[in-house]
Amino acid sequence: DIQMTQFPSTLSASVGDRVTITCRASQSISTWLAWFQQKPGQAPKLLIYKASSLQSGVSSRFSGSGSGTEFSLTISSLQPDDFATYYCQQYQSLYSFGQGTNLE
Amino acid sequence: QVQLRQWGAGLLKPSETLSLTCAVYGGSFSDNYWNWIRQPPGKGLEWIGEVDHSGGANYNSSLKTRVTISVDTSKNQFSLRLTSVTAADTAVYFCARGFKDGSIIQNRRVYYYYYMDVWGKGTTVTVSS
Repeated sequence: DIQMTQFPSTLSASVGDRVTITCRASQSISTWLAWFQQKPGQAPKLLIYKASSLQSGVSSRFSGSGSGTEFSLTISSLQPDDFATYYCQQYQSLYSFGQGTNLE
Repeated sequence: QVQLRQWGAGLLKPSETLSLTCAVYGGSFSDNYWNWIRQPPGKGLEWIGEVDHSGGANYNSSLKTRVTISVDTSKNQFSLRLTSVTAADTAVYFCARGFKDGSIIQNRRVYYYYYMDVWGKGTTVTVSS
């Protein structure tokens, strides 16, 4: 099974900040990686797929990069609505999620 | 626009069987995979398994002995059964569509890759005596 490790687990930031969340896979997953945003009481929302492709309707403030085993999600200028928990997920071999990053 | 609506029993006793169903509205049922994911209170997301339109299923190895995911193409629905539940199975359960991203050819076989783009709202399942 492929293990996904995200860091940091908690990230403190302010409106207007540029933030980056990192995700590492236990083996190469090429670019078969997605990023999700989840708010309390809601289902996860897809932000990025194939490591860097922006899902339709998602703000261009979100961007993804990486390949192989190292990936990152960057939010260019934090808005109040961005404070949430973020998960990476590999889909190279079945599925597995990172443990999440709480952006507060 | 694709929507997923899910339902099922929300309160179970230990050793009972969890049963949830997810209905798909809009889009193609046959071109995608259909997934179940769960989230224990205050914890992260765990993939449970997936099924395609023909009933072919794959499961998380940690739950494989207790899980069955089935499909009813006549109703565009898919279902989750989890047997012998315990308190550790208390969670919000989500259904989600696996949408085809791309493919590669390796050793003369074609491998397809799917990301989860549409999710149901979630069903809270509590296991308690």
